[in-house]
Amino acid sequence: DAGITQSPRHKVTETGTPVTLRCHQTENHRYMYWYRQDPGHGLRLIHYSYGVKDTDKGEVSDGYSVSRSKTEDFLLTLESATSSQTSVYFCAISGGQGVRTEAFFGQGTRLTVV
Amino acid sequence: AQSVSQHNHHVILSEAASLELGCNYSYGGTVNLFWYVQYPGQHLQLLLKYFSGDPLVKGIKGFEAEFIKSKFSFNLRKPSVQWSDTAEYFCAVISNQAGTALIFGKGTTLSVSS
Repeated sequence: DAGITQSPRHKVTETGTPVTLRCHQTENHRYMYWYRQDPGHGLRLIHYSYGVKDTDKGEVSDGYSVSRSKTEDFLLTLESATSSQTSVYFCAISGGQGVRTEAFFGQGTRLTVV
Repeated sequence: AQSVSQHNHHVILSEAASLELGCNYSYGGTVNLFWYVQYPGQHLQLLLKYFSGDPLVKGIKGFEAEFIKSKFSFNLRKPSVQWSDTAEYFCAVISNQAGTALIFGKGTTLSVSS
């Protein structure tokens, strides 16, 4: 498996609190992605990054922000968590050595907002 | 809107039956195409990919897919399914007209009975 670590793996938080999920890679891949997975919706792109400090919005970016201050880390922040953000969040990486490749996925973070 | 469509939401087959899962995309330009599989409780794993060349690509575990550019399709096939193929299957596209984002279809759940 590619060297991708998501933390935490599980989290329960209260509505209105800020939450930060971390994705750490050891593969030096250029591109990093955050997806959420919900039944009936597949994987929906939240935000992605194409380099350090270079990020862009995906399909469902409202309520989320990201930061990438170094190649290996991509942080996803829920500024004020809502119940609709209860989901499984996956980080993915691609683009080793700057070449477009398939994406490799982390193990996922199950977030429950109560 | 540009999208990736998977026609079958849930497919139920008996062991040894043949499988074909449909995937169509609406992006123009140059596309890279992927099929991923997600076994229960696990993260996504790559089954196969198409970047260029022979439009018939072979992946792991006996899966194959055919890229038909004129039909904007990338259907997944397997001649004889096994119980262990029970999983969710996702088609995904990178298009140079959609930036660097990897966009997924909603997924198809395959249930194989022994």
